[in-house]
Amino acid sequence: AQSVTQPDIHITVSEGASLELRCNYSYGATPYLFWYVQSPGQGLQLLLKYFSGDTLVQGIKGFEAEFKRSQSSFNLRKPSVHWSDAAEYFCAVGSNDYKLSFGAGTTVTVRA
Amino acid sequence: AAGVIQSPRHLIKEKRETATLKCYPIPRHDTVYWYQQGPGQDPQFLISFYEKMQSDKGSIPDRFSAQQFSDYHSELNMSSLELGDSALYFCASSLGLLGEAANYGYTFGSGTRLTVV
Repeated sequence: AQSVTQPDIHITVSEGASLELRCNYSYGATPYLFWYVQSPGQGLQLLLKYFSGDTLVQGIKGFEAEFKRSQSSFNLRKPSVHWSDAAEYFCAVGSNDYKLSFGAGTTVTVRA
Repeated sequence: AAGVIQSPRHLIKEKRETATLKCYPIPRHDTVYWYQQGPGQDPQFLISFYEKMQSDKGSIPDRFSAQQFSDYHSELNMSSLELGDSALYFCASSLGLLGEAANYGYTFGSGTRLTVV
């Protein structure tokens, strides 16, 4: 079965600084990988996804993620964070059994 | 653009009552997935439907049942509610199953927050 690990529970970053959120997955075949963002009390918004092809994926809101098969990782990055990026971020892996498995999430706090 | 619509947004029920959550997928989407997110938890897959047939089942209690109707909307029925059922319930939709809908992925609704008192 697939699984996802997000090692960082909470990250605090200054506005304008760069951000990197780590995600490691476990899956035997080629995974479908996703990053979602969730603001308090809100739904899950898809930031970006990877299925195949170019391992550097561009998403919305200036986010990007890089798939590294050798490290089983799919880390999310943003060069310069904005206060509105404060939220919880979930990495997820999908498979051919049609469901997503989510990581525990990383809460991002942005300080002025 | 139309999104996934869930109703109600909030629901308060007493223990042992029954609740029905509704999900209206994006037009033309034929696959619906239900997830449960407890307080401070990551979303957990409950059940999914493809073309009105159950396609997969996760950690869904026997007290819960769900179905997908001819117009592709789905309802999650929860009976004998327990305090531990208090959670945010998400519905997501896609066109085709995940493996086939590689270019679409999931779109989540805003969720229904169920509180059992």
